[in-house]
Formats: sequence, C-alpha cells, structure tokens
Amino acid sequence: EAGVAQSPRYKIIEKRQSVAFWCNPISGHATLYWYQQILGQGPKLLIQFQNNGVVDDSQLPKDRFSAERLKGVDSTLKIQPAKLEDSAVYLCASSPLGGLAVYEQYFGPGTRLTVT
Amino acid sequence: AQSVAQPEDQVNVAEGNPLTVKCTYSVSGNPYLFWYVQYPNRGLQFLLKYITGDNLVKGSYGFEAEFNKSQTSFHLKKPSALVSDSALYFCAVRAGKNTGFQKLVFGTGTRLLVSP
Repeated sequence: EAGVAQSPRYKIIEKRQSVAFWCNPISGHATLYWYQQILGQGPKLLIQFQNNGVVDDSQLPKDRFSAERLKGVDSTLKIQPAKLEDSAVYLCASSPLGGLAVYEQYFGPGTRLTVT
Repeated sequence: AQSVAQPEDQVNVAEGNPLTVKCTYSVSGNPYLFWYVQYPNRGLQFLLKYITGDNLVKGSYGFEAEFNKSQTSFHLKKPSALVSDSALYFCAVRAGKNTGFQKLVFGTGTRLLVSP
C-alpha cells in the first residue's frame, strides 16, 4: 500500500511570510496527526484529527498555525505569519481507527521548513 | 504527565556486537510504549510496541525491546548490530486514556552509530 505522502519536501521562506504543507494519509486511515520536530528534539504533536474532526490541538499555536481536514482524507497545515522558531521538520502521520493497529502511527517523509 | 527519557545522545557499537538503546518512562496507569527509527531525510518508521503481555517484544529488522515495570524501562536491543542500523532512535509513550486519543510523547532521540 502507498505510504503517507507529504509536500513539499523542503521550503525556505522569510519571517512573516505564510506557508502551507499538504498531507495525504494512508488510504482508509481515519486518524491523522501533524507533528513538529525541531532539530535535536523528538517530534511534538501539533494537532490530531479523527476523520474531519479535531481530537487534540492543545499544543497548536493557534495565533499563527491552522490546520484542516475538510473531507476526512487529506490535510493542510498552514503557518501565517512564520517566525524564525518555526524552522523545523513537519511530520504527518496516520493510523487506522480500530484494532491493535490503532496504536501504530505511520509517518510521511516530512517537510523541512527553514525560516530566514 | 506521560514522558519518556533517553539518557544517551549517542550509542556507538561495532558491527556484529549486541546493542542496547535505553529508555525509561513515567506514566500514570498502564504504559503503552513504542520505538521508532528515523533514517536521514526520512520520516519515522515504527519498530515495535508494548501494550500488554510478554515483557520481551519482538519487532522489525531483528530488534526487540524488554519491558521492565520495576525499573520503568523499555530498552531497545539487538543481538548483532549492522552498519545499516545506524540511525536516530526514538522511544515514545502514549498519552491519553481513550483509544481515540493516540497522542504520542517522544523522547529526545538516541543516535546509534554502528562501525564496520
């Protein structure tokens, strides 16, 4: 089966600009996650969707970050305006809804964002 | 709050020797523990998980992990290391009580370097 797809793979922007990342999860996976991985740190969950509803966005900086999953399939994460500290790899992951496999998250290759 | 600690930034081992990557956890309730591996410029790949049952969990690529409740540890092991095992390894714990809340909290990662 095809894995989690993300685009773009790399993005360089200036501070105060806006940027958007796209994610297409594994077919049939109801749950979708966006993580932020700053260099030297482990991934940190930004937002979790189950179908098209938000389950957890407690660590999403809502003044500048937004995310949507309108049809319960692919998702977009936006940053507006970007700050220098947003430089990181943004990882998308998905998991199925039922059974023990619900505990396994499948990650995409990530988008490396550099804010100058 | 659920958390994991990886006390070693880097582990060096010679090819053919056994390897251990350490992880300790702090959770309220039963721990759901995971190991992921990250190769350069790629997303995280699931290696194995402990949900319940046998304390020795077998996973992908010949890796296994030993759950030790008394020591609150979940160390990753492999009997014979390969150069291709060189990567960044993350321990993670599930945060959230309901099956729909699969938020993972990751450690800071341990870089494994296997020398020929």
